Amino acid sequence: DTGVSQDPRHKITKRGQNVTFRCDPISEHNRLYWYRQTLGQGPEFLTYFQNEAQLEKSRLLSDRFSAERPKGSFSTLEIQRTEQGDSAMYLCASSLAGKGGWDEQFFGPGTRLTVL
Amino acid sequence: GDSVTQMEGPVTLSEEAFLTINCTYTATGYPSLFWYVQYPGEGLQLLLKATKADDKGSNKGFEATYRKETTSFHLEKGSVQVSDSAVYFCALSDWSAGNKLTFGGGTRVLVKP
Repeated sequence: DTGVSQDPRHKITKRGQNVTFRCDPISEHNRLYWYRQTLGQGPEFLTYFQNEAQLEKSRLLSDRFSAERPKGSFSTLEIQRTEQGDSAMYLCASSLAGKGGWDEQFFGPGTRLTVL
Repeated sequence: GDSVTQMEGPVTLSEEAFLTINCTYTATGYPSLFWYVQYPGEGLQLLLKATKADDKGSNKGFEATYRKETTSFHLEKGSVQVSDSAVYFCALSDWSAGNKLTFGGGTRVLVKP
């Protein structure tokens, strides 16, 4: 399978716990994006990487959130001290960015987080 | 900042009916425009795109035209099928801003036989 994969698919945690999600992009895709989607809403951008460099973080990404892409391949998104408001679907997407113009982002199935 | 507004759903149609989902955008640069679709139980998929003004994107019988003068990118399909039941998202990206996607709120479409 050469699509974007995410692990776990579902995570239930208690408020105050830390959680970590993993995203494996399509092989050789140099860009990786994280989005968050709450029920009935469209996805919202959180952050993105070009290779291993984190190039932009949304204001939605509070200090409790951290993302890494250590070798320019897979990425992790960690949420510390989870709050009920963090409950959402966390989506990962990857693309092969060229020298300009648009690039198609391929989305993974998402990780659904429920904070009790 | 950039934003996308699309009509709220749900939209309920009979099979073979005409579908229109309105989408308007606000952007500071020259964005590319997209329609993504999310079928029940599946991930987001790109349905069609248009990268400059007056471009028409098309796929699977769906069409949308990039209208810069009205800042719109309405999705249309002439004859829907039950299998078109899904949530449709209008989105834009700007290559100068890392091509991150800005999505509308989504429109749920239900096609009844």
